[in-house]
Amino acid sequence: GQQLNQSPQSMFIQEGEDVSMNCTSSSIFNTWLWYKQEPGEGPVLLIALYKAGELTSNGRLTAQFGITRKDSFLNISASIPSDVGIYFCAGTTSGTYKYIFGTGTRLKVLA
Amino acid sequence: DTAVSQTPKYLVTQMGNDKSIKCEQNLGHDTMYWYKQDSKKFLKIMFSYNNKELIINETVPNRFSPKSPDKAHLNLHINSLELGDSAVYFCASSRTNTGELFFGEGSRLTVL
Repeated sequence: GQQLNQSPQSMFIQEGEDVSMNCTSSSIFNTWLWYKQEPGEGPVLLIALYKAGELTSNGRLTAQFGITRKDSFLNISASIPSDVGIYFCAGTTSGTYKYIFGTGTRLKVLA
Repeated sequence: DTAVSQTPKYLVTQMGNDKSIKCEQNLGHDTMYWYKQDSKKFLKIMFSYNNKELIINETVPNRFSPKSPDKAHLNLHINSLELGDSAVYFCASSRTNTGELFFGEGSRLTVL
């Protein structure tokens, strides 16, 4: 099945550092979503993006819908230990009734 | 109240058995989905339903049969379980086909 290219695959960072990750697609999307998943739980929606160029924040998280509509970016500022988890991007196009997911970025924060 | 709830959370069973997972959403959404997450954490769509009608069957074997008795429920029945079916199965829902997607907590299936 189709998956989006998400990078980096994993990151080990110090507490207080900023984090950036991105997602690219070969297809144009109408919607980009960003999720965080912790062990034993389902993915939790962090940010939703609906327009090319849109920049949206949720606390220390900021995500952008790429101008080409084929990519999206997530930044986490001043990371804390509870940011640990797997971050996924997802995209969809109107009428397809499916969200394609990225391969995930595994984030570990060292205190 | 849990928005998307699925049961059971864990299933352990023998090869060849049949099992079912139930999903309910109380968000008033029109579209529901089943996703499979493998051991590498890849999330892949299996099925999507809109207003109880099957929209997407993403080349899933016939042994998997989803059923949507109403807009708020989407169940998954699996026949003749195989070792490769071991995974975490997630139910999800969205208001429209491009709106926010909300997941349940997952059902971890282990086939021995």
